Amino acid sequence: KAGVTQTPRYLIKTRGQQVTLSCSPISGHRSVSWYQQTPGQGLQFLFEYFSETQRNKGNFPGRFSGRQFSNSRSEMNVSTLELGDSALYLCASSFQGQGGEKLFFGSGTQLSVL
Amino acid sequence: AQTVTQSQPEMSVQEAETVTLSCTYDTSESNYYLFWYKQPPSRQMILVIRQEAYKQQNATENRFSVNFQKAAKSFSLKISDSQLGDTAMYFCAFTNSNSGYALNFGKGTSLLVTP
Repeated sequence: KAGVTQTPRYLIKTRGQQVTLSCSPISGHRSVSWYQQTPGQGLQFLFEYFSETQRNKGNFPGRFSGRQFSNSRSEMNVSTLELGDSALYLCASSFQGQGGEKLFFGSGTQLSVL
Repeated sequence: AQTVTQSQPEMSVQEAETVTLSCTYDTSESNYYLFWYKQPPSRQMILVIRQEAYKQQNATENRFSVNFQKAAKSFSLKISDSQLGDTAMYFCAFTNSNSGYALNFGKGTSLLVTP
């Protein structure tokens, strides 16, 4: 069974641009979550999608958005990039995303904003 | 909001020795889940061990075990017979229904296993 796949692995953008990150979950998993990892703030929850609906959202500005497709693949978009958006963005998938279920993580997309 | 604290930013242990990583958390809830995740240089987070708060028995996975003290809100990870491949960042995490089962992570402990 293939694991969680995130593309691209690395991305360099400039301030003001927008970026889209992609996540393909493990086959059969319907829940996809996104986390931001920075040296200063650590790991922070962005949002979770289940069956194409955003079910949960963290404390991030509206510049951060996402969506999930019918095949459970998810994309995350950040508009009007700021220097502080430089981070490792991790995607995780699970069957239901409930009840303390085990999450399977991808290797992340490293975003650098110049 | 629930907080997770890992008081040891860095630790070092010799191969084959035992090491314990500390984690404390703060919650007023009685039902929740606790995890230890490992993040090697490849950056992929890997679940090491999982504990359900309503289970009194400490979770064990091969060389990894936890000491879950619910009253003290403590959840330490013990790694026995340390191996070079255990070198990684270790994150303690908390979740429950109040957060919609989003993981709340500690800042992490960097573990170095030396020959």
